Amino acid sequence: GAVVSQHPSRVICKSGTSVKIECRSLDFQATTMFWYRQFPKQSLMLMATSNEGSKATYEQGVEKDKFLINHASLTLSTLTVTSAHPEDSSFYICSARDAGPGGHEQFFGPGTRLTVL
Amino acid sequence: QQQVKQSPQSLIVQKGGISIINCAYENTAFDYFPWYQQFPGKGPALLIAIRPDVSEKKEGRFTISFNKSAKQFSLHIMDSQPGDSATYFCAASIRGGSEKLVFGKGTKLTVNP
Repeated sequence: GAVVSQHPSRVICKSGTSVKIECRSLDFQATTMFWYRQFPKQSLMLMATSNEGSKATYEQGVEKDKFLINHASLTLSTLTVTSAHPEDSSFYICSARDAGPGGHEQFFGPGTRLTVL
Repeated sequence: QQQVKQSPQSLIVQKGGISIINCAYENTAFDYFPWYQQFPGKGPALLIAIRPDVSEKKEGRFTISFNKSAKQFSLHIMDSQPGDSATYFCAASIRGGSEKLVFGKGTKLTVNP
């Protein structure tokens, strides 16, 4: 089955620092990757759609200068939380959509727990 | 228009029982309806998905029932097991469009032994 990895699985940082989270599709190519954040006991909230080779599309209310997304290859997208603050502490999850014909299933990564002190 | 409403918020069933989770949507353009299972601290995993051209899809103990006219779909878990205890999310998207998934709020299922 399709596998999506995320690194790191958890990170603790000081307020004001930047954190980069990687999302990789391991056995398929993904023209589109999605980034979500999930607060405890809540549903997934889509932050942005990342398309390989083009700028990410951000959902309303998501600061694009704070959450930098780069999708440089068909297997890698990165999310950088810049100048992180305690309110950015959350569970960040990426998903990837198979670029193959007819592919529309999204496969999710295991998530990254970010804690900002 | 973009909402997917999921119920119940939490569900407790006995081992061997049937778990039923319901979802309703408004946007008739949705044409892909997946269900995801999420364990604490993990990412969601695709369980089963259905397209609106069929009314039911079964995979093992998991069945999706789809009612296009009512704009509702449900997940049935037969012979529920303690290992099924997790949070379940329904979702909907438009294939060929942005492919963005719209998620329900989730149902926390507890299966007692």
